[in-house]
Amino acid sequence: GENVEQHPSTLSVQEGDSAVIKCTYSDSASNYFPWYKQELGKRPQLIIDIRSNVGEKKDQRIAVTLNKTAKHFSLHITETQPEDSAVYFCAASVGFSGTYKYIFGTGTRLKVLA
Amino acid sequence: DAGVTQSPTHLIKTRGQQVTLRCSPKSGHDTVSWYQQALGQGPQFIFQYYEEEERQRGNFPDRFSGHQFPNYSSELNVNALLLGDSALYLCASSWRTPSYNEQFFGPGTRLTVL
Repeated sequence: GENVEQHPSTLSVQEGDSAVIKCTYSDSASNYFPWYKQELGKRPQLIIDIRSNVGEKKDQRIAVTLNKTAKHFSLHITETQPEDSAVYFCAASVGFSGTYKYIFGTGTRLKVLA
Repeated sequence: DAGVTQSPTHLIKTRGQQVTLRCSPKSGHDTVSWYQQALGQGPQFIFQYYEEEERQRGNFPDRFSGHQFPNYSSELNVNALLLGDSALYLCASSWRTPSYNEQFFGPGTRLTVL
């Protein structure tokens, strides 16, 4: 069935270090992979996304990589800051003919220690 | 340009009652998806509406129903509420395209069932 696995569930890093969150999806037809940051009590906010025809995308300190063959995609945050502390969700878009839904991972709680 | 809006912000109900949640999509968007996010988990897809019809549905019982109006706004109805229905309900809007669709999330409605 449709599934997205996300690891790790919690991640603690020192300020300035890098953080990596990994996801695996099951539907080979998935063609869009967004990453969301969710702070306590707030809506998920899109931080970066990647389409299936691209292997890597970078936006300042954030990058996402996609391996379609292995059905893996990862979020990389460099030079982490305390304000990066939040829960991060990966998602894979599943569907057809204009009707798409997101399958979300279970989330990673990132703590950046000052 | 207003983003996705939802009402109410918070809601408290008792078991067995019925509830209606409302969503107004981002300007220019014609598709509305609803997600349930239980505490500590990733959002789970409930259903999606386009052209006033339910186009896709997740693994939720018939107690969950919806509607989309000609102005693209949408309602989520839940009947016979259970304690397990307590969650953050997120609405996401998008513009229907042949391939992937970026979805924009509203602030959510936090439902507590006592």
